[in-house]
Amino acid sequence: SQQGEEDPQALSIQEGENATMNCSYKTSINNLQWYRQNSGRGLVHLILIRSNEREKHSGRLRVTLDTSKKSSSLLITASRAADTASYFCATEGSNYKLTFGKGTLLTVNP
Amino acid sequence: DADVTQTPRNRITKTGKRIMLECSQTKGHDRMYWYRQDPGLGLRLIYYSFDVKDINKGEISDGYSVSRQAQAKFSLSLESAIPNQTALYFCATSGRTVDTQYFGPGTRLTVL
Repeated sequence: SQQGEEDPQALSIQEGENATMNCSYKTSINNLQWYRQNSGRGLVHLILIRSNEREKHSGRLRVTLDTSKKSSSLLITASRAADTASYFCATEGSNYKLTFGKGTLLTVNP
Repeated sequence: DADVTQTPRNRITKTGKRIMLECSQTKGHDRMYWYRQDPGLGLRLIYYSFDVKDINKGEISDGYSVSRQAQAKFSLSLESAIPNQTALYFCATSGRTVDTQYFGPGTRLTVL
């Protein structure tokens, strides 16, 4: 069963706008990671946030983590057409395995 | 050259055939994983290996087996393929002290 659940399932925005995706999970975690997948290709790691962190930045990416609500959000600022992809959250528990959500499909229209 | 490679990239086979998917990595990582991806279901873990002598079942191991031939090689076998094993299969690796996983390009398997 999936640990993380992304919301929304699909998001369509215009170039230059910000995109926000959310992830909720059920059990305690060591860390939460976000991955990106271009259509039919392998996943690429974007950013990792540990359970004792609340916010992290990497370039145009901002991730927040609220362990009390068991939720995380990924913000992509100033979106570009090249950001069009599926985005997955993945949680790592005490067993060091990753459990992936079903993903958010982001479409950035030029 | 890619750090994580998978062969074949595409395969069409028939029900009942034995299939092996291979994964090789040049990252020097101890940990290797096999996932399958179905539309709308995200990635699900089939098997994982934390070192050459360690093999563990994942969420959906029934109908699959694996072999860790070396630190760099991890193979997934379908002993008798069935149509509901049609999916995109990914191999991934991670280091002992590194939390992130590095994915191969995937193998698209179709079982007729």
